[in-house]
Amino acid sequence: NAGVTQTPKFQVLKTGQSMTLQCAQDMNHEYMSWYRQDPGMGLRLIHYSVGAGITDQGEVPNGYNVSRSTTEDFPLRLLSAAPSQTSVYFCASSYSGTTSSYEQYFGPGTRLTVT
Amino acid sequence: LAKTTQPISMDSYEGQEVNITCSHNNIATNDYITWYQQFPSQGPRFIIQGYKTKVTNEVASLFIPADRKSSTLSLPRVSLSDTAVYYCLVGFDTGGFKTIFGAGTRLFVKA
Repeated sequence: NAGVTQTPKFQVLKTGQSMTLQCAQDMNHEYMSWYRQDPGMGLRLIHYSVGAGITDQGEVPNGYNVSRSTTEDFPLRLLSAAPSQTSVYFCASSYSGTTSSYEQYFGPGTRLTVT
Repeated sequence: LAKTTQPISMDSYEGQEVNITCSHNNIATNDYITWYQQFPSQGPRFIIQGYKTKVTNEVASLFIPADRKSSTLSLPRVSLSDTAVYYCLVGFDTGGFKTIFGAGTRLFVKA
C-alpha cells in the first residue's frame, strides 16, 4: 500500500492564482481531511469528508473548496491564492465505523508559498 | 472540544526515559486520549491511544490517572531519532475531526 499520497510536494503561486492540491489514499478509508500547518504551530483542520459525496468545514475553511467524488481522492482547491495561505498542507485519512481507534494516517505534505 | 496543555519543549539525553505530561481538565466521559509524533517535514504519526489506566505498545506507554484530567506519554530509553514534536489530542470521534492539534511538545534528545 502507498498509504496517503499528496502532489505536488512544493508549489509557488502568485497572489490571485488558483490551484488544486491532490490527495489520494489506497486504504479504503471513509474519512479524509485536510490540515494546514504554519511554522511552529500545530495543525488546523480546513475541510473533511466522511464519505464520497459528503464534505464539511473545519476550523479554517475560508478560501478553500473540496469535493469527494470517490473514496480514494480528496482534492483541495485554492480559489484565489493569498500570501496568508502560505503554509504546509497535510491530507489525512482514517477508518470509520465502530472502531475505537482514532488513528489518522497522514500524507507527506505539500509546501505552498504564495508571493 | 477538550483543550489540552503540554510543555512547549523538553530536553533529554540518549538512553533516558522521557515523560511528557498533558493536561486536559475538561475531558468528557467518552473522550479518548491520543498521542502523535511529528518529525520535521513529515506528517504526524500515531503513537498510542488510551481511555484509562495504562496502555503500552512497542513504542511507548500511556499513563492515565483515575480522574483522567491528565495523561503522561512515556518514551523508554530515547535515542537521537526520537527528537520530534509530540501532540496530545483528546476527543471522541472515529474520524479524528473533533480533536485539536495544539502546538505540541518539542522534544530534543542530545547525545
